[in-house]
Amino acid sequence: AAGVIQSPRHLIKEKRETATLKCYPIPRHDTVYWYQQGPGQDPQFLISFYEKMQSDKGSIPDRFSAQQFSDYHSELNMSSLELGDSALYFCASSDRLAGLGETQYFGPGTRLLVL
Amino acid sequence: AQKITQTQPGMFVQEKEAVTLDCTYDTSDPSYGLFWYKQPSSGEMIFLIYQGSYDQQNATEGRYSLNFQKARKSANLVISASQLGDSAMYFCAMRERGSQGNLIFGKGTKLSVKP
Repeated sequence: AAGVIQSPRHLIKEKRETATLKCYPIPRHDTVYWYQQGPGQDPQFLISFYEKMQSDKGSIPDRFSAQQFSDYHSELNMSSLELGDSALYFCASSDRLAGLGETQYFGPGTRLLVL
Repeated sequence: AQKITQTQPGMFVQEKEAVTLDCTYDTSDPSYGLFWYKQPSSGEMIFLIYQGSYDQQNATEGRYSLNFQKARKSANLVISASQLGDSAMYFCAMRERGSQGNLIFGKGTKLSVKP
């Protein structure tokens, strides 16, 4: 079965640079979530999109922005990168119509290292 | 206050034995869903099992079962017949009906299976 695709899988950036992470959800999934997992931490919700509209916002810095496109893929744009942005960034997708039992399927993650 | 509490930072289990990973949660929302995810050292987040707050029976998926005690607000994961490949971090997560679907994770339990 098709899974969530994230690219790139690994990314190394310098401080103050920008980065763009991409996410391709499971086909027919209409909802995308972004999470950030710092070293040794649990995943923290950043932002979500449903049918190409922002659905909810968590602890996402103002330096970050995201959008969902007409083909449902999503991009997380990160600017003025800081050392503390080094983390594993997950994208998850789901079918919102599944209701409370809607299961989020995670991509393999993008490991970002800021030097 | 922590919404999801996993009190066992690390656990050891002998191969082929059963193990229980604890999870307690805190919510005032009568409708919620509870999830368990496995994160191997490679980093991906793998969905294991789901329990809805109104489900009358405990969820089971192969060797995974969920011991759901609603009055105690606990949703412990039971892994039967442990295998070496079960060694990983395990995260308990919750979604409340009142939220837009994002998951709240516990701090995780690192399970090590001994041969």
